[in-house]
Amino acid sequence: DVKVTQSSRYLVKRTGEKVFLECVQDMDHENMFWYRQDPGLGLRLIYFSYDVKMKEKGDIPEGYSVSREKKERFSLILESASTNQTSMYLCASSLRQGGEQYFGPGTRLTVT
Amino acid sequence: GIQVEQSPPDLILQEGANSTLRCNFSDSVNNLQWFHQNPWGQLINLFYIPSGTKQNGRLSATTVATERYSLLYISSSQTTDSGVYFCAVDLRMDSSYKLIFGSGTRLLVRP
Repeated sequence: DVKVTQSSRYLVKRTGEKVFLECVQDMDHENMFWYRQDPGLGLRLIYFSYDVKMKEKGDIPEGYSVSREKKERFSLILESASTNQTSMYLCASSLRQGGEQYFGPGTRLTVT
Repeated sequence: GIQVEQSPPDLILQEGANSTLRCNFSDSVNNLQWFHQNPWGQLINLFYIPSGTKQNGRLSATTVATERYSLLYISSSQTTDSGVYFCAVDLRMDSSYKLIFGSGTRLLVRP
């Protein structure tokens, strides 16, 4: 079974803090994704990566950056957290582009 | 851009009832997935189904790509089926693929 894990289920941070969300997959997948989910707005793609050290902007990259130094790990970075980044963050991976995506359990981030 | 519409938005069932959820999409897509989001927020893969019919226990799905819709059937529903069901279509954009989600069907199964 594909397993995607995220570093925290719940996280509370203060405005202005630098926040790291970590995602690890154990199936040697090429592609990894970060989404956020908000009521009424659904799931929106923040960034994705199709190879180590490669990244592409999704629909809402502003305020975020990513890092992929190893194939199995994809990090989402909030350089200076703001209250409008309070959300559910979901990581996903897929073997190939256009392939089935598998999601982690999600991180509920609250920025106060 | 492509539109993905799910119906109904909300559904309440008595345990043991059957239901059909629908997903319409406005353009040709590379692929389609159905997910169940449980009360803890985890998205669980149900089907990866670009066309045809698949079955997994009490659940089955049918995608008719030429008519741009997919159906998810839930038979003999159980309280653990409660949650939100999403369809998502995989669309090729330039050199990459993008998963676009519908707004979901919220299902409540009463005991």
